[in-house]
Amino acid sequence: DAGVIQSPRHEVTEMGQEVTLRCKPISGHNSLFWYRQTMMRGLELLIYFNNNVPIDDSGMPEDRFSAKMPNASFSTLKIQPSEPRDSAVYFCASSLPAPNTEAFFGQGTRLTVV
Amino acid sequence: QKEVEQNSGPLSVPEGAIASLNCTYSDRGSQSFFWYRQYSGKSPELIMFIYSNGDKEDGRFTAQLNKASQYVSLLIRDSQPSDSATYLCAVKSLEAGGTSYGKLTFGQGTILTVHP
Repeated sequence: DAGVIQSPRHEVTEMGQEVTLRCKPISGHNSLFWYRQTMMRGLELLIYFNNNVPIDDSGMPEDRFSAKMPNASFSTLKIQPSEPRDSAVYFCASSLPAPNTEAFFGQGTRLTVV
Repeated sequence: QKEVEQNSGPLSVPEGAIASLNCTYSDRGSQSFFWYRQYSGKSPELIMFIYSNGDKEDGRFTAQLNKASQYVSLLIRDSQPSDSATYLCAVKSLEAGGTSYGKLTFGQGTILTVHP
């Protein structure tokens, strides 16, 4: 398996533009997580899905952020409109939903909003 | 109170020494605990996990769990310069109102530097 695949790896956009980050989880993994990492706040859980259903989105910072998982092999995280403070590395991870199973991370998307 | 807290660091140890990394968590219902390592510019990767009270050893790494104290630690014996990285503690807990242990929450991370 190729692991968790994220795209793009790097994104530079202007303030106010829409940004869409993409993720393909490992086949067979029922849980999918979106995290944001910054120096100040560390690795924050934004939202996670079980069986394509959003379970906990309490970490989504505001209405400008939205996430979807239309099927078991694809998820998107959208920011509209983007702001400079959204600049961070966004990670997608997937795992089996059982308690003693690890989450595998994608390579991340480094987002810069100028 | 943050859900998962780690000792702030940064932590610097000489090569060959024991590095001790600590983590506390707030949810008593948490079921399993993970230690990840993250090199600069890379994604986190699993070192080991633990779910029973006591110690679990894997090579130079030992994870310790005390559920009564809500405390988990990672010891790295014979530290090497290649161990220099950020170490992240993660906790899997019951989703709100659910029965599935899916939510995986990370601490802030501790930066470890092993100097020759």
